Amino acid sequence: GAGVSQSPRYKVAKRGQDVALRCDPISGHVSLFWYQQALGQGPEFLTYFQNEAQLDKSGLPSDRFFAERPEGSVSTLKIQRTQQEDSAVYLCASSFNADYGYTFGSGTRLTVV
Amino acid sequence: GNSVTQMEGPVTLSEEAFLTINCTYTATGYPSLFWYVQYPGEGLQLLLKATKADDKGSNKGFEATYRKETTSFHLEKGSVQVSDSAVYFCALSGAGSYQLTFGKGTKLSVIP
Repeated sequence: GAGVSQSPRYKVAKRGQDVALRCDPISGHVSLFWYQQALGQGPEFLTYFQNEAQLDKSGLPSDRFFAERPEGSVSTLKIQRTQQEDSAVYLCASSFNADYGYTFGSGTRLTVV
Repeated sequence: GNSVTQMEGPVTLSEEAFLTINCTYTATGYPSLFWYVQYPGEGLQLLLKATKADDKGSNKGFEATYRKETTSFHLEKGSVQVSDSAVYFCALSGAGSYQLTFGKGTKLSVIP
């Protein structure tokens, strides 16, 4: 596609529910990143994939967060047993080559009630 | 670790006013520096970047110069337009790193 597509755009979850957030990167982009953006803050790194390999998950805040990219294209960020502090915008970005920069999606706004 | 500090907003300017948004950073080595812009309802877009000291990034009338001596990368535009209203983020990536470290963002509102 022409850009990075994320779905859903908005998600409301009851505390304790599991959620799955989807990212469709630009075709051919090898690198894929997930960032978390709390209200009024800048995005913070969560995890990085190169093709299907998750090379860095150091930013995942707890073991309730899990990300996968099984075929090296679409990625899913899963949050188990959601808590109120998980409320944020989750951004996905992809890149063919870091020197060319990253293309960000519009994000998924997660609200946990 | 790496960190980015940018001036807090919101910033409200009249059309055709001069814009400066300050950004300073802390990093080891020689990071690459970026300005991203986020228009309402849209994703982050790269506005400009600089990869080494004294480089000037520019795009759409915006400019920023990589100043290693002051560890700064201030964003400037000589004459803002209403369409420039957005949130601006300063960011860096460490040498050889793929991770971006962002500032908190500065919301700019330009009024006619």
